[in-house]
Amino acid sequence: DIQMTQSPSTLSASVGDRVTITCRASQSISNWLAWFQQKPGKAPALLIYKASRLESGVPSRFSGSGSGTEFTLTISSLQPDDFATYYCQQYYTYPYTFGQGTKLEIK
Amino acid sequence: EVQVVESGGGLVKPGGSLRLSCAASGFTFSNYSMNWVRQAPGKGLEWVSSISSSRSYIYYADSVKGRFTISRDNAKNSLYLQMNSLRAEDTAVYYCARAPCYSGGSCHMDVWGKGTTVTVSS
Repeated sequence: DIQMTQSPSTLSASVGDRVTITCRASQSISNWLAWFQQKPGKAPALLIYKASRLESGVPSRFSGSGSGTEFTLTISSLQPDDFATYYCQQYYTYPYTFGQGTKLEIK
Repeated sequence: EVQVVESGGGLVKPGGSLRLSCAASGFTFSNYSMNWVRQAPGKGLEWVSSISSSRSYIYYADSVKGRFTISRDNAKNSLYLQMNSLRAEDTAVYYCARAPCYSGGSCHMDVWGKGTTVTVSS
């Protein structure tokens, strides 16, 4: 199985900050990577797919990059609504696997 | 409105069975692969199972293989998960997720339901 490792596990930041979350795959997944945002008690919401494609309706302050084994999710200017947990997920091969999550907290 | 709505969760004893359903609306269900993903209390996301649009391809996580069965009825716009021999570690919120697929079979999950809670306890 492909292991997905996110860093950091927790990130403290302030409104207006630029933040980056990293996701590493244990083997190459080309660009078959998605990023999700999840708020407490809610379902995950797709932000980015195919590593860098912004899902319709997602604010442009979110961006994704990378290919192969290393990927990043960047939020260019944090808004109050962005404090949540973020997951990466590979869909290159089954079993699909998720990173352990990065909790973005208010500093 | 494009949506998927899960149902069928509940409290079940270890060794018991439960059947989850997912009702799809607002899109052509038969054109999409579908998935079940679960989340144990306080934990991360775990992919459980996938079924292709025509039911030709079915995949399971090792943790549920042999105990869970995914199925779909395209005429009823519905996805199912039959869960047998349930264990305490199957306790989770179960999400249904739609997955458009690219050529080559890579399918990302773009529309998620709100989830249904399964609790396995004596």
